[in-house]
Amino acid sequence: TQLLEQSPQFLSIQEGENLTVYCNSSSVFSSLQWYRQEPGEGPVLLVTVVTGGEVKKLKRLTFQFGDARKDSSLHITAAQPGDTGLYLCAGSPNTGGFKTIFGAGTRLFVKA
Amino acid sequence: DTAVSQTPKYLVTQMGNDKSIKCEQNLGHDTMYWYKQDSKKFLKIMFSYNNKELIINETVPNRFSPKSPDKAHLNLHINSLELGDSAVYFCASSQDLAGGSSPPAFFGQGTRLTVV
Repeated sequence: TQLLEQSPQFLSIQEGENLTVYCNSSSVFSSLQWYRQEPGEGPVLLVTVVTGGEVKKLKRLTFQFGDARKDSSLHITAAQPGDTGLYLCAGSPNTGGFKTIFGAGTRLFVKA
Repeated sequence: DTAVSQTPKYLVTQMGNDKSIKCEQNLGHDTMYWYKQDSKKFLKIMFSYNNKELIINETVPNRFSPKSPDKAHLNLHINSLELGDSAVYFCASSQDLAGGSSPPAFFGQGTRLTVV
């Protein structure tokens, strides 16, 4: 059974600080996704990474896919209160996106 | 325009009742999903449909029956509701790629089901 473990589970920081959250697995994925979910809403897709070692940037967010395609990290520079939310990573196996599985998420709270 | 819309947003019902949740996507996507999010925010795939055909049924009790009348709609009917069915249910959609299926790209707002 493929599992994705996210760490930390909860993170509370001050506005302006940098942070990194991690998504780890013992399984290889053909692609990995990061989503952000706000209370009362569905997850919103932020990025998909597909190549081992790939780095993608989305404004202050930097996403990296591990060389072996088993893990990923999300780094936020100069966090803002608007970054508050639940960050979910999800992995798709070689058998296709139908079988995408989700990690349990990292809940981020950025204090003003 | 909402890309993936679910109704109702909230549903409170008694044990033993039968209820349905509707989902529609206006993106022209080929694949639709139902996910269940528990109280710990863990999202678990329930069903996946591709062009109206069932692709994935992830060990969901047969009290749950999805129905896809066309590519844009995937409804979820639940019979004999139990307390443990209380959760938030999300519909999602994705577009097939040349190399195969892609992961869920758009989610609905969710339906919070409370069984009392």
